Amino acid sequence: AQRVTQPEKLLSVFKGAPVELKCNYSYSGSPELFWYVQYSRQRLQLLLRHISRESIKGFTADLNKGETSFHLKKPFAQEEDSAMYYCAPAMNRDDKIIFGKGTRLHILP
Amino acid sequence: GAVVSQHPSRVICKSGTSVKIECRSLDFQATTMFWYRQFPKQSLMLMATSNEGSKATYEQGVEKDKFLINHASLTLSTLTVTSAHPEDSSFYICSATRASEQFFGPGTRLTVL
Repeated sequence: AQRVTQPEKLLSVFKGAPVELKCNYSYSGSPELFWYVQYSRQRLQLLLRHISRESIKGFTADLNKGETSFHLKKPFAQEEDSAMYYCAPAMNRDDKIIFGKGTRLHILP
Repeated sequence: GAVVSQHPSRVICKSGTSVKIECRSLDFQATTMFWYRQFPKQSLMLMATSNEGSKATYEQGVEKDKFLINHASLTLSTLTVTSAHPEDSSFYICSATRASEQFFGPGTRLTVL
């Protein structure tokens, strides 16, 4: 069965400290991996996708096929990073995304 | 570019009535749109895949007669909640796909009294 796990429901990090949001997936085939973010009172938006290997707003995510993980990282947290983050694998053939339960990131001043 | 709108943003209806929610891709054509449901403080749950010109594909556990989906054009998909009941109250979100990236609408808050 397709499954994505974000073990932390809430993560509180001090401003300037490193951030790591964990994501593990269980999927048949080779899914494409995404991280989506939802800021307060805004719509869900794409943060980054593994295939592009970009760094967006200082965030990066490395796909580890051996561990089936796609953890999201940022070396120095900023207050504007406070948001809800969703790890989301998708199968290329139909673009259907299954969202994880999400992790609320709270940056402490 | 790649803006998705939803209408209405909020709707309150009486139990037993039907409610239609529209999802539009404003500046691009989308052969595929998705409908999600989000309960308070929970993640998005995929309800169905809306395909232009063909029947929608529903996820397991989602009643297709309850949640009617129509994707009549490349820029519009509609979700109709038929004979709504209080347990259907939720936040409904649509997305449209362009170049394998999903763009999300702002959501529709449905409250059934």
